[in-house]
Amino acid sequence: DVKVTQSSRYLVKRTGEKVFLECVQDMDHENMFWYRQDPGLGLRLIYFSYDVKMKEKGDIPEGYSVSREKKERFSLILESASTNQTSMYLCASSAGTSRSPYEQYFGPGTRLTVT
Amino acid sequence: AQSVTQPDIHITVSEGASLELRCNYSYGATPYLFWYVQSPGQGLQLLLKYFSGDTLVQGIKGFEAEFKRSQSSFNLRKPSVHWSDAAEYFCAVGLTGTASKLTFGTGTRLQVTL
Repeated sequence: DVKVTQSSRYLVKRTGEKVFLECVQDMDHENMFWYRQDPGLGLRLIYFSYDVKMKEKGDIPEGYSVSREKKERFSLILESASTNQTSMYLCASSAGTSRSPYEQYFGPGTRLTVT
Repeated sequence: AQSVTQPDIHITVSEGASLELRCNYSYGATPYLFWYVQSPGQGLQLLLKYFSGDTLVQGIKGFEAEFKRSQSSFNLRKPSVHWSDAAEYFCAVGLTGTASKLTFGTGTRLQVTL
C-alpha cells in the first residue's frame, strides 16, 4: 500500500513564525501536492511538484513556498504565518503513469492553528 | 474554467436506506473521475475511479458510481447505508494535459441516523 505521512497531526504556531510542514511518500511517486482544506471550500491546491526541484503554483500559492530536494519528500513553508492560514493541510502523491493517471494518495493531514 | 459541483452540502439518511450523492462537472472532454471519502480528522481515501470503458464502476465499501456523459455527471450510490459511512465525500476530476492535477468539489457531508 502507498503510504503518505505528514510530520505533525496538530500544530500551533504564533503569527509571524516560519512554519515547515513535511510530507513523505514511500512509493517512488513522481508527483506530490499540497492542499489546504477549509469548511465549505473543499480542497484547494497550493503547490505541486512533478519532479525533484520542480514545482508549480496551484490556485492559492500566496503566502506559501515549497521545497522538494528528494523525490520522496515535499515540504510546505509558511514564511510568516498569519491567522488566515489556520487550516487543515493535506499532502498527496501520485504516480502519474498511464496505468493510474491522476490517482492521488493522501496523508492524514496537519491541522495548523496560527494564534 | 473547469469546475466540479456537488450541489448537496449536507445529506442525512437513515441506516439501511439507499444513498445517492451528486456530482457534476463542466469540461469539454471526458475527464478522469474520482470519488474520495474523508472520515473525521483523517485524510482522503479513494472510493472509486472512472477512466474509460463501462460507465458503471464499483468501488470499495459497497459504493458504485455511474458516469453519464450527456448529463456531465458522476453520481455516487450505495444501496444500503451503514452508520460507519458517515463522513465527507468529495468528487474530483482530472483533465489530460493538466500535469496530473485534480479539481475537487466542495464536498458533501453525510450523516447517518440509526
